[in-house]
Amino acid sequence: DIQMTQSPSSLSASVGDRVTITCRASQNIINFLNWYQQKPGKAPRLLIYSASSLQSGVPSRFSGSGSGTEFTLTISSLLPEDYATYYCQQSYTTVTFGGGTNVEIK
Amino acid sequence: QVQMVQSEAEMKTPGASVEVSCKASGYTFTSYAINWVRQAPGQGLEWLGRITTHNGNTKYAQKVQGRVTMTTETSTSTVSLELRSLRSGDTAVYYCARERSQGGTHFDSWGQGTLVTVAS
Repeated sequence: DIQMTQSPSSLSASVGDRVTITCRASQNIINFLNWYQQKPGKAPRLLIYSASSLQSGVPSRFSGSGSGTEFTLTISSLLPEDYATYYCQQSYTTVTFGGGTNVEIK
Repeated sequence: QVQMVQSEAEMKTPGASVEVSCKASGYTFTSYAINWVRQAPGQGLEWLGRITTHNGNTKYAQKVQGRVTMTTETSTSTVSLELRSLRSGDTAVYYCARERSQGGTHFDSWGQGTLVTVAS
């Protein structure tokens, strides 16, 4: 299976900060990379698919980039409702998820 | 709107089996595959497998292969996951998720989750 490694595993940020989360794949996955947001007690929510396509209804402060083995999720200006855990997921082969990045209040 | 409604929480003893159901609405059921993902307490997401709803074809994760069966019932727009020979490590919230395939597989709608607790 393809291993997905997210960094950092957690971060502290203030409202208004620009936040960047990285996801690295153990092999080339082209652009078969998706990002999800999960809040405590809730199901994950799709944010970005195909590395950089914004899911319908997701605010434009979220963006994704990258290809091959390195990908990033950027939140341009953090809002209170963005405090959550973020997961990357590859679909180049059998689906695997990254370990998650917990975004906490600073 | 698209909705995925799952069955209620279950408590099972080791060695037992559990069945979790997921009823879809708001779209053409047979047009999308359904995947199952679980999350152990305080842990990340783990993909368990998928079922194509128009023909029942399945693909399972190696970790649960042999213990898991996914089925679909088009008359009620419901998919089910059965997990057998339960062990404590199967304690998790189980999610169903609708699969979109444009630009690679991603999951655009999720059920609310079903907590399965395995304890003696």
